[in-house]
Amino acid sequence: DAGVTQSPTHLIKTRGQQVTLRCSPKSGHDTVSWYQQALGQGPQFIFQYYEEEERQRGNFPDRFSGHQFPNYSSELNVNALLLGDSALYLCASSLPGQGGGYTFGSGTRLTVV
Amino acid sequence: KNEVEQSPQNLTAQEGEFITINCSYSVGISALHWLQQHPGGGIVSLFMLSSGKKKHGRLIATINIQEKHSSLHITASHPRDSAVYICAVSRNQFYFGTGTSLTVIP
Repeated sequence: DAGVTQSPTHLIKTRGQQVTLRCSPKSGHDTVSWYQQALGQGPQFIFQYYEEEERQRGNFPDRFSGHQFPNYSSELNVNALLLGDSALYLCASSLPGQGGGYTFGSGTRLTVV
Repeated sequence: KNEVEQSPQNLTAQEGEFITINCSYSVGISALHWLQQHPGGGIVSLFMLSSGKKKHGRLIATINIQEKHSSLHITASHPRDSAVYICAVSRNQFYFGTGTSLTVIP
């Protein structure tokens, strides 16, 4: 039973470029959440997708957008990259309505130069 | 102010020592989670608690709902326990602590 799969594992982009990160949830999970973890910090909630819609959003600018597909996989898009967007981006999947039961992916390490 | 506070931020222990990491939170929660993050980033869920105490191997997690406090204990610590341990609480989303970096020296 596959857990959460994220791709790519590492990525280097230039300031001003756009990036797309991908996440496949754990089998049976239909809710996907994205988190940004800057070096030395705890993860910060970006947004959550359920039924192909953004259900909740954290305090991130509109440059951060996402999408969920009918197979529950999800993408995180970041436009006009800034140096400060360099971070580990984590995806977690879950079933809706639970207080927990989250499964995390290994993350995508994004470096903006 | 962060909704979840952890202490200590950094911890170094000798192999075999008993380790305690503390977590306090200020919001209403559905559950509290202890997560482990190794270098390279992947996060593993260790425990999900809504009351009482849970034990898995050498790891024990407790929660006091009235005091909004949880502790993670590691008995007979081993160098392979070296990692960042993160406390997180969930309602509709996660609120994370900044983590405790644990180094266990042989």
